[in-house]
Amino acid sequence: GQNIDQPTEMTATEGAIVQINCTYQTSGFNGLFWYQQHAGEAPTFLSYNVLDGLEEKGRFSSFLSRSKGYSYLLLKELQMKDSASYLCAVRDSNYQLIWGAGTKLIIKP
Amino acid sequence: IAGITQAPTSQILAAGRRMTLRCTQDMRHNAMYWYRQDLGLGLRLIHYSNTAGTTGKGEVPDGYSVSRANTDDFPLTLASAVPSQTSVYFCASSQGVTGELFFGEGSRLTVL
Repeated sequence: GQNIDQPTEMTATEGAIVQINCTYQTSGFNGLFWYQQHAGEAPTFLSYNVLDGLEEKGRFSSFLSRSKGYSYLLLKELQMKDSASYLCAVRDSNYQLIWGAGTKLIIKP
Repeated sequence: IAGITQAPTSQILAAGRRMTLRCTQDMRHNAMYWYRQDLGLGLRLIHYSNTAGTTGKGEVPDGYSVSRANTDDFPLTLASAVPSQTSVYFCASSQGVTGELFFGEGSRLTVL
């Protein structure tokens, strides 16, 4: 079967750096997405990786290793507004998105 | 403001009743999707449409139906609601099947 694994919950301190990991086993691979979802709101797009390596976008970076079935989202200079759930999703060989259950990130002052 | 509009935002429904969740997008995206999100689970695809006039079944299609008469609208119908359909429903769209998804604000449905 297809599976996306991410930690259920993480806690970090304001101003620090946090890395959220995602491992996947899917039928084929056509890209990996990270989305942010604040409580009670819709998911919003953060990043997309289709080739190995690091994609940087401001305070957020996303890394992909296709051979290891592994990605991480790196958040730097954490702010209280970064408290949210972070969803990892992989597009399989049929171009369907397989979603992880999300990682709830709690930021403490 | 361009985007996806869902209605209703929230609804309480008696079991056995019929319900249609509406979804409209003004981005002229080809592909549209309906997901449900339940606590502790990832987003699960109910139905999708890659282009107007076509629809397909996702991971959890039973008890739901969709139609795609035009590019902009993609309603989701529960023919006879059951309590297990209590969930938050998100409509989404993308430009083609490879693009990023844009989500509506969600419809919180409670079936009693």
